[in-house]
Amino acid sequence: GENVEQHPSTLSVQEGDSAVIKCTYSDSASNYFPWYKQELGKGPQLIIDIRSNVGEKKDQRIAVTLNKTAKHFSLHITETQPEDSAVYFCAAALSGGSYIPTFGRGTSLIVHP
Amino acid sequence: EAGVAQSPRYKIIEKRQSVAFWCNPISGHATLYWYQQILGQGPKLLIQFQNNGVVDDSQLPKDRFSAERLKGVDSTLKIQPAKLEDSAVYLCASSLDWRSTDTQYFGPGTRLTVL
Repeated sequence: GENVEQHPSTLSVQEGDSAVIKCTYSDSASNYFPWYKQELGKGPQLIIDIRSNVGEKKDQRIAVTLNKTAKHFSLHITETQPEDSAVYFCAAALSGGSYIPTFGRGTSLIVHP
Repeated sequence: EAGVAQSPRYKIIEKRQSVAFWCNPISGHATLYWYQQILGQGPKLLIQFQNNGVVDDSQLPKDRFSAERLKGVDSTLKIQPAKLEDSAVYLCASSLDWRSTDTQYFGPGTRLTVL
């Protein structure tokens, strides 16, 4: 089955800095890669996703890159703000299949004012 | 638009007791998912419904876990009997239809503590 590794487990940055979270996956058939933000006491919320036919996707301060050959994808957050502090999860799934996403273990992002 | 609703938000039980969780998905969403999220880990899918039918329950520990979505709307997840290792947050998510969209919307979860 699919295995998703996520690094780092904790990331501490100063407000205004950039943050990068990296994930690798094992199943070359996976073609859908969502990123979720989970705030304390809440469920995960989709913030951006990318499909295997695209190498990069951007949405304001958030961008995701995908390297299919190396089977890794990354989340980039620029100009971080205190409200970006949360746990971020990457996931990999086969879109169009039964869609069973495999999640990484999460990265706790702390943005210091 | 109302989000995914779950209740209760917190539950504390002793091992070998039974517990049930309830989920009301976003109106019109045909696909409903139950996930287990153990502290420090990502969510793990337990079961996926399409309307009132099961799409995938391969990761559901069927000796103690059961789930139903009888009328294709609300769903309940039950654990009987509970074990210490069942302590986790149980998340419900829904999507319009898994065959046409990958976007899932999660509820706030039910935090279960088994003593």
